[in-house]
Amino acid sequence: AQSVTQLDSQVPVFEEAPVELRCNYSSSVSVYLFWYVQYPNQGLQLLLKYLSGSTLVKGINGFEAEFNKSQTSFHLRKPSVHISDTAEYFCAVSRPGFKTIFGAGTRLFVKA
Amino acid sequence: GAGVSQSPSNKVTEKGKDVELRCDPISGHTALYWYRQSLGQGLEFLIYFQGNSAPDKSGLPSDRFSAERTGGSVSTLTIQRTQQEDSAVYLCASSSGTSGSYNEQFFGPGTRLTVL
Repeated sequence: AQSVTQLDSQVPVFEEAPVELRCNYSSSVSVYLFWYVQYPNQGLQLLLKYLSGSTLVKGINGFEAEFNKSQTSFHLRKPSVHISDTAEYFCAVSRPGFKTIFGAGTRLFVKA
Repeated sequence: GAGVSQSPSNKVTEKGKDVELRCDPISGHTALYWYRQSLGQGLEFLIYFQGNSAPDKSGLPSDRFSAERTGGSVSTLTIQRTQQEDSAVYLCASSSGTSGSYNEQFFGPGTRLTVL
C-alpha cells in the first residue's frame, strides 16, 4: 500500500526567503508524485508532477521539486517566496488504476 | 464543460435533514473522487468511482453517507440525517484514470455544507 507523509503541518517564512516543504512516500512499486496547492478560499490546483525522466521537476509560480528514489522523498522548494504563496500545499502519490493518496497538507505562511 | 463543476456551491441545512451534493466531472473522465475538507484540516478521502462502480468506499464516515454515479458521469453524494459534525467543504475531483495514465486529478470548487 502507498502512503504519504508531509513532515511539517505549518511552515512560517519571511518574504523573499527560500522554503522547502517536505514530503516522503512509501510504495513497493513505481509511482507518480504530485504537489497540489490550495490558495485561501479556492479549490485545489496542480502545482507540478513527476511521472518519469528528470528527477527535477519545475512547476508553476517558480516552484520545483526533486524526486529522490533512494530517500523516497519529493520535497517542494522555492528560492524566494512571495506573500501570494501563502496557501496550503498537498503532496500526493498515485499509480495507474489506483486511487491517489494525499498527505495531510502543509500550511505555508509568508510574512512581510 | 471545461472543468469539474459542483452544485450547490453552498448549502445550509438543519440538523436531521438529508442533503444531496452533485458533481459533474470532466467529460470522458472515468475516475471520480469525493473528499471532505473540514476547517483547518487536510483532505479526507470519502469514496472513489471507476466508471459506475465504487471499488473503494473505505472513507465514508458512517452509513448515513452514500454516493452513486450513473452513466459513468454525474455523481451524487447523499448525507442522511445530517449532524453538525458533517459541516465541511465537500470536494469532487475527476481524472482520466485509465491504465497507464498518470491520474492527475482535477478538482471542482467544492460545496460548503453548514449544518445548523
